[in-house]
Parts: sequence; C-alpha cells; structure tokens
Amino acid sequence: EAGVAQSPRYKIIEKRQSVAFWCNPISGHATLYWYQQILGQGPKLLIQFQNNGVVDDSQLPKDRFSAERLKGVDSTLKIQPAKLEDSAVYLCASSLDGELFFGEGSRLTVL
Amino acid sequence: AQSVAQPEDQVNVAEGNPLTVKCTYSVSGNPYLFWYVQYPNRGLQFLLKYITGDNLVKGSYGFEAEFNKSQTSFHLKKPSALVSDSALYFCAVRGWGGSYIPTFGRGTSLIVHP
Repeated sequence: EAGVAQSPRYKIIEKRQSVAFWCNPISGHATLYWYQQILGQGPKLLIQFQNNGVVDDSQLPKDRFSAERLKGVDSTLKIQPAKLEDSAVYLCASSLDGELFFGEGSRLTVL
Repeated sequence: AQSVAQPEDQVNVAEGNPLTVKCTYSVSGNPYLFWYVQYPNRGLQFLLKYITGDNLVKGSYGFEAEFNKSQTSFHLKKPSALVSDSALYFCAVRGWGGSYIPTFGRGTSLIVHP
C-alpha cells in the first residue's frame, strides 16, 4: 500500500515570497490533515478536511495560509506571503478510522 | 479542550535496559490515545493506540503502553532498549466526539547509549 506522498521535501524562500506544498493521501482515506511542526515542538494542526470539505481550520492563519482539497483526494497548502516564523516542517496526514498516517513532510526555511 | 503533557524533554537509557517515556493527557470523555515515533528528517510513524479494552497495549518494534485511567496516563515502555530506538516520541490524544482531531505532545527525545 502506497503511503502519504508529499512534495517538495525541502524548500528555501525569502520572506514575503510564496510557497505551495502538495499532498496525496492514502487511497480511500477520506480525512486529510495538515500539521505544522516547528523545531523542538509537537505537530500543531492547521486544517482538517473530510473529503473535500473543511472540518476545522480554526488554527490556520488565514491572512497568509490557504489550503484546498478540491476533488476530495490530493491537497495543497499555500503560504503567501511567508514570514520568518513560518520556518517549519509541514506534515500531511490521512486517516480512515482515527489512526493517522503521515507523509515525510515538507521542510520550509524562510530567510 | 484536550491536551497532552510529555514531562521529559529527553530520556537517556543504556542499551538492554528497560525504558519508559511518560505521557499524561486531558480530554472530555473517554480517550483515544496514540504513540508515534519520528526519526531524523522523517515523518511520524505509528507505534500503537489505545481505544478500549485491555489497559496494556502492544505495538510495533516491541513497544507497549499502559493506559491508567485514574492517573490519566499512557506511558510508553519497552523491556530492553536498542540503540536503534533512539528517536523522538510523540504521544497524542483525541476524544470520541467532535472533529476527532488528535492533539500531540511536544515530544520526548529518547537516547539509547551503547
């Protein structure tokens, strides 16, 4: 069974630039999550999708972050404009019955 | 609101000795508890979960965890540590209602010395 795919693995940008991350969940998993993991901290939920609908985006900084899952399968997370404090690993996870399966993550460095 | 506390930033243990990584939680109603492991530059990998039933849960790589409802704890254990167990360990909790969003602890770095 293929796992959760994420790209790119690494991205370096300057502040105020934009960046997009892509996630393809495990086939058949209706629930998709984006987490932000800052160095030395645990993952923090940004947004949860159930199929193509948003379940919870209360912790998503909506002035600069956006996410979509248009066809209920893969998803993109965008940051525009990026700030220094956005430097983190962005983890995508999918689940079927509550157990989360994570991708390798996308490491963002904002200079 | 649900929360997880991992009181130790780092746990050091000698290879072959038993290890314990501590986790306490707070959640409304019955908890759904998880342990994940993260190796450098990798995503989180599932180790084990507790939903209901036996308080001792067995998982991957010889790890187990003990659910204690009265102490609201879910400590991760292994009888004999390996150097290859050195990694970052995360405890997570979610409730049974609402949006089922797991909340993660800040992680505990396990270092197993040869």
